[in-house]
Amino acid sequence: EAGVAQSPRYKIIEKRQSVAFWCNPISGHATLYWYQQILGQGPKLLIQFQNNGVVDDSQLPKDRFSAERLKGVDSTLKIQPAKLEDSAVYLCASSFQGASNEKLFFGSGTQLSVL
Amino acid sequence: AQSVAQPEDQVNVAEGNPLTVKCTYSVSGNPYLFWYVQYPNRGLQFLLKYITGDNLVKGSYGFEAEFNKSQTSFHLKKPSALVSDSALYFCAVRALGNNNDMRFGAGTRLTVKP
Repeated sequence: EAGVAQSPRYKIIEKRQSVAFWCNPISGHATLYWYQQILGQGPKLLIQFQNNGVVDDSQLPKDRFSAERLKGVDSTLKIQPAKLEDSAVYLCASSFQGASNEKLFFGSGTQLSVL
Repeated sequence: AQSVAQPEDQVNVAEGNPLTVKCTYSVSGNPYLFWYVQYPNRGLQFLLKYITGDNLVKGSYGFEAEFNKSQTSFHLKKPSALVSDSALYFCAVRALGNNNDMRFGAGTRLTVKP
């Protein structure tokens, strides 16, 4: 089966610019997650969608980050304006129903460098 | 809130020797525990999970993990390491109930030398 698709693979921007990342989860997966992985740290959840609704965005810096999953399938994560500390790998993951005992399927991530 | 600690940043073993990557957790109630592996420039791949039942869980690529409730640990093990096992390993915990956050440890870099 096709895995979680993410694009772009790499992005380099200057601070205060905007950037967007795209994710297409595994077909049929209701739950979609965006994680931020800073170098040397484990992934940190930014936002979780169940179909097209937000389940958890408590760790999303809402003054600069936004995300949407309008049709309950693919999703876009945006940063505007970017800061130096946003340099990280942004991982998208999906799971079938979002139950706590389900494993997550991860994409390869987008590596963002903010200069 | 749940949390995970991986006390070792780096683990080095010789090929053919057994390996252990340590993980301890904190969660209210019974935990769901996971191990993921990350190869360079790749996303995380699921290795195994503990939900309930037998404390020894077997997963992909010959890895296994032992759930120890009294020590709140979930150490990853393999009887005989391969050079190809060299990667970054993440332990994760999730509390019971739907839509709970999966919390990851900081990761342990495993290097297996020939």
